[in-house]
Amino acid sequence: QKEVEQDPGPLSVPEGAIVSLNCTYSNSAFQYFMWYRQYSRKGPELLMYTYSSGNKEDGRFTAQVDKSSKYISLFIRDSQPSDSATYLCAMSKVQGAQKLVFGQGTRLTINP
Amino acid sequence: SQTIHQWPATLVQPVGSPLSLECTVEGTSNPNLYWYRQAAGRGLQLLFYSVGIGQISSEVPQNLSASRPQDRQFILSSKKLLLSDSGFYLCAATGAKAFFGQGTRLTVV
Repeated sequence: QKEVEQDPGPLSVPEGAIVSLNCTYSNSAFQYFMWYRQYSRKGPELLMYTYSSGNKEDGRFTAQVDKSSKYISLFIRDSQPSDSATYLCAMSKVQGAQKLVFGQGTRLTINP
Repeated sequence: SQTIHQWPATLVQPVGSPLSLECTVEGTSNPNLYWYRQAAGRGLQLLFYSVGIGQISSEVPQNLSASRPQDRQFILSSKKLLLSDSGFYLCAATGAKAFFGQGTRLTVV
């Protein structure tokens, strides 16, 4: 079993829809949770960063962590074609960890 | 702000040739540094990570090697490239948060 599981998609939704991206994990020691957005042929860019359980909102993006279920989510409201990218979840046990553990990435397409 | 400079952006090399990819980091000190490889449509595979100068940990056996001659410099090398070394190579650093360079797309022909 992988430490982090993420549905690779692809996921295709119409513009304006609410998008839900998810990851599950098996190691209860994970404390820091990240979402990265990666455009084609580019490096991943940090989108959201959360510590422990709870929600964090930044504009149209909301990151949600449920440590009891070992489940994290990224919600995108009012999705735009520019949101089309691969979204990677990542997590670590400590800040600035020696190892980050990544999900496989979900490829998302927003159709105009 | 934290920035990773990674070059070259694209590289086409023949089988059996050597490789040297360089990564430098700005905006943070004493970072942990990483080399990842990303195959098409797949996740990130951690190749090497370093917690300090001269300290390299290898995650997978392969014909690649890494070196960290300076605090903010990380180099990925190979003496003889294989076809299977083709992929998208990413350098990353963690200070307070983890951030990535723009990657090098390597095609071995």
